[in-house]
Amino acid sequence: DTAVSQTPKYLVTQMGNDKSIKCEQNLGHDTMYWYKQDSKKFLKIMFSYNNKELIINETVPNRFSPKSPDKAHLNLHINSLELGDSAVYFCASSQLREQPQHFGDGTRLSIL
Amino acid sequence: GIQVEQSPPDLILQEGANSTLRCNFSDSVNNLQWFHQNPWGQLINLFYIPSGTKQNGRLSATTVATERYSLLYISSSQTTDSGVYFCAVEPYNTDKLIFGTGTRLQVFP
Repeated sequence: DTAVSQTPKYLVTQMGNDKSIKCEQNLGHDTMYWYKQDSKKFLKIMFSYNNKELIINETVPNRFSPKSPDKAHLNLHINSLELGDSAVYFCASSQLREQPQHFGDGTRLSIL
Repeated sequence: GIQVEQSPPDLILQEGANSTLRCNFSDSVNNLQWFHQNPWGQLINLFYIPSGTKQNGRLSATTVATERYSLLYISSSQTTDSGVYFCAVEPYNTDKLIFGTGTRLQVFP
C-alpha cells in the first residue's frame, strides 16, 4: 500500500483556473506538509499541518489554501492559477517533530 | 535562516566507481535526511541521520552534527543510482525541512 498518495499525478490547465490537489497518508502520522519544487529542482516548504491545525505558512500567496479535513488528509486548493505556479508539488507526512518525513510521488502542475 | 550547501553540484561516474557527496549546514539541526530523486521525479528516503553512521547496502551516510556536515557514500555505483541527491535539515524548533540544492549524479555503463 502506498504510504503517502497524491492525486492527480499530472495537472495541465489554463491560467486563471482554480484547481485542487489531494493528499492522503495511511501511516497514522500527525503532521502533513506541502512542498513546491521549481523548474531548477529547488524544494521549499509551503505549509505544515499538525492534527488538522496550520502550524507553518511560508509566505505563500493567499491564492493557495490548504485544507485538512482530518489528520490523514491535506488538500491544496489553488485559485486564479498563474504561469509561475507551474511546478511539482509534493505532499509529505511525519509522526512528530524530529522524525523522518515521508514524501508522496508529486503532482506536476503545468499552466498554459 | 539556515543555509544548506551540497557538493559537488554535478557528478559523472562510470558504473562500478565509488563517490562521496557532501552536505554542509550553517546551524544546529534536529534532523537530517538524505533523499534520492529518481529520473521519474520520485523522492526516495535514503537515510534519517541526525548524527552517527548508517549503512544500507551499497549506500552509507555519516553525520557529524558538531561540525555541521553530512556525507553520503555510494559504492560500486550502478546506472540506477542516477538522479539528484538531496540533503535536507530540520532546524531546531521548526517542523520543516530545508533542502540543499542537490547533487546531480549520472552513472554511465
